Amino acid sequence: DQQVKQNSPSLSVQEGRISILNCDYTNSMFDYFLWYKKYPAEGPTFLISISSIKDKNEDGRFTVFLNKSAKHLSLHIVPSQPGDSAVYFCAAKAAGNKLTFGGGTRVLVKP
Amino acid sequence: GAGVSQSPSNKVTEKGKDVELRCDPISGHTALYWYRQSLGQGLEFLIYFQGNSAPDKSGLPSDRFSAERTGGSVSTLTIQRTQQEDSAVYLCASSLGLGLAGEQYFGPGTRLTVT
Repeated sequence: DQQVKQNSPSLSVQEGRISILNCDYTNSMFDYFLWYKKYPAEGPTFLISISSIKDKNEDGRFTVFLNKSAKHLSLHIVPSQPGDSAVYFCAAKAAGNKLTFGGGTRVLVKP
Repeated sequence: GAGVSQSPSNKVTEKGKDVELRCDPISGHTALYWYRQSLGQGLEFLIYFQGNSAPDKSGLPSDRFSAERTGGSVSTLTIQRTQQEDSAVYLCASSLGLGLAGEQYFGPGTRLTVT
């Protein structure tokens, strides 16, 4: 039973346009959500997070939106750059620090 | 400063052998986690250590898997009698401990191949 799902395995976008990555979850006990970015042969790196008491968090080109009633969050990257090409993982945390990850979305930004 | 390091980076072993994977967390980080990523899958939680508390082992898939953390720093993940389904990238992460942020810093992983 996957508690965190990323239904789009891949996304292709033109440089300069917006990338929108989606994530759905089922566990209402999740209180904190994170996005990680992963390049091949490297570990994931933290990108941005949001607490369940907020509905938006912005950091430069990255914005995360949380819709608690829909149990849905999204990551917007604008403008997209070729260096953003990577696999993006959505993760959620309940009590404790154990993270539950989605399956990832591979983003390709075309120059 | 130094990040999380893991060794070996790659390990090929025969089915039935035992393997040990090592993780050196970031200095000062009290929490340490192990995850694994099977081919085409997301990251799967295995175990985490927080300070001197009993580890959360709820993600270990079978009793062939065990982990220890010595001196609150280095951790070793041991897989006994390896099976082909154990083939995956094993990732270690560390964090400053419990807190609202909880950002975990990951190492590069150990790619385990069981033949």
